[in-house]
Amino acid sequence: GEDVEQSLFLSVREGDSSVINCTYTDSSSTYLYWYKQEPGAGLQLLTYIFSNMDMKQDQRLTVLLNKKDKHLSLRIADTQTGDSAIYFCAEDPGGSQGNLIFGKGTKLSVKP
Amino acid sequence: EAGVAQSPRYKIIEKRQSVAFWCNPISGHATLYWYQQILGQGPKLLIQFQNNGVVDDSQLPKDRFSAERLKGVDSTLKIQPAKLEDSAVYLCASSGHLGTEAFFGQGTRLTVV
Repeated sequence: GEDVEQSLFLSVREGDSSVINCTYTDSSSTYLYWYKQEPGAGLQLLTYIFSNMDMKQDQRLTVLLNKKDKHLSLRIADTQTGDSAIYFCAEDPGGSQGNLIFGKGTKLSVKP
Repeated sequence: EAGVAQSPRYKIIEKRQSVAFWCNPISGHATLYWYQQILGQGPKLLIQFQNNGVVDDSQLPKDRFSAERLKGVDSTLKIQPAKLEDSAVYLCASSGHLGTEAFFGQGTRLTVV
């Protein structure tokens, strides 16, 4: 069945890099996404990668995709306290970009 | 540009009562989604509308949940009767059409006691 797995917690020091990992199951997903959720807020799309790419960089964010292993990672460079949030990995088996399968989320804590 | 609006932000009800949530998508967005996010889990799609038609409601518990999108704009999600396990945040999202980014509202936090 469809399932997206993530580690639940990550703690880093301010200024370090954070790497959040995710594995997914549906090899037909067109896009893979990273969403950010701050307390009491909705989901904010951080970045996404098309399934035929293996890397995408967007300012402090780097997404790596290993399609063979169905592994996705999000690297945040120079992590700041404002990056503390829950990060969700998601896949879209139907290619609709809204009908998504989410992981349980990784809670990132950034210590000063 | 105004975002996806949802109301109420919070709701507390007793089990077996009914409740309704409202969503106003971004203007012009044809596709609307309702997600359920139980504490500690990722969001799970309940229903997807394209204009006022249902595209996917395979994960909607239809014995107690219903949703409509009259006139293809605003949408309501109803639970009747509510159970304790329905306690969750209900998120609404919209996108311009299939294949474009979905924008999420802040959600309605439902507590069933």
